[in-house]
Amino acid sequence: IVLTQSPATLSLSPGERATLSCRASLSISSSLAWYQQKPGRPPRLLIYDASKRANGVPARFSGSGSGTDFTLTISSLEPEDFAVYFCQQRPSYAFGQGTKLEFK
Amino acid sequence: QVTLKESGPVLVKPTETLTLTCTVSGFSLTNSRMGVSWIRQPPGKALEWLAHIFSSGEESYSTSLKSRLTISKDTSKSQVVLTMTNVDPVDTATYYCARIPSEYDYVWGNYRPSWYFDVWGRGTLVTVSS
Repeated sequence: IVLTQSPATLSLSPGERATLSCRASLSISSSLAWYQQKPGRPPRLLIYDASKRANGVPARFSGSGSGTDFTLTISSLEPEDFAVYFCQQRPSYAFGQGTKLEFK
Repeated sequence: QVTLKESGPVLVKPTETLTLTCTVSGFSLTNSRMGVSWIRQPPGKALEWLAHIFSSGEESYSTSLKSRLTISKDTSKSQVVLTMTNVDPVDTATYYCARIPSEYDYVWGNYRPSWYFDVWGRGTLVTVSS
């Protein structure tokens, strides 16, 4: 199962809403996770089971979707949210290629 | 507090065997219904899952690298070890270990390892070069 993330790069400003997409080549039910990674740091779990926020993750982060189409939404961007975001799925533990969220 | 820490060589020559160690604390490698995975990331590229081992001892490997990888655990030392044989410059990457937490199985009424990674080590950069 291949995960395809879009867009590759998303240019936005603080305060704006970010919508990141992850599409699976086959249905994976709700077995999708989202991670945030900043330069020189390990990834941080944000969302698991498609929509459950991990411990300590701010409420502005939300996940949705099931089957093959998933979305990570950041309701109002904070300066610390600009990073790379990866999705990951259950059957084969594989990751998507990432979406870089950059300052506009 | 749950922590994981990777250790291993910084530089490895092509065709050699790479051995990486993940030392964990704050959870058990024996009866926790959890697991530890190894994941790597070449510079500037995406994450690649390599292998995992559950507290039960069950192992699983990336299909593309299965023939070169072995994962094991030493519960007395709270360590998970990954060996990769016949390394190549394309294996140059930061190698992370990460915890797989447990989840409740509503069908069987017990806990089992899940499939995502909730706590990560800081990673160790391994360069393969002659």
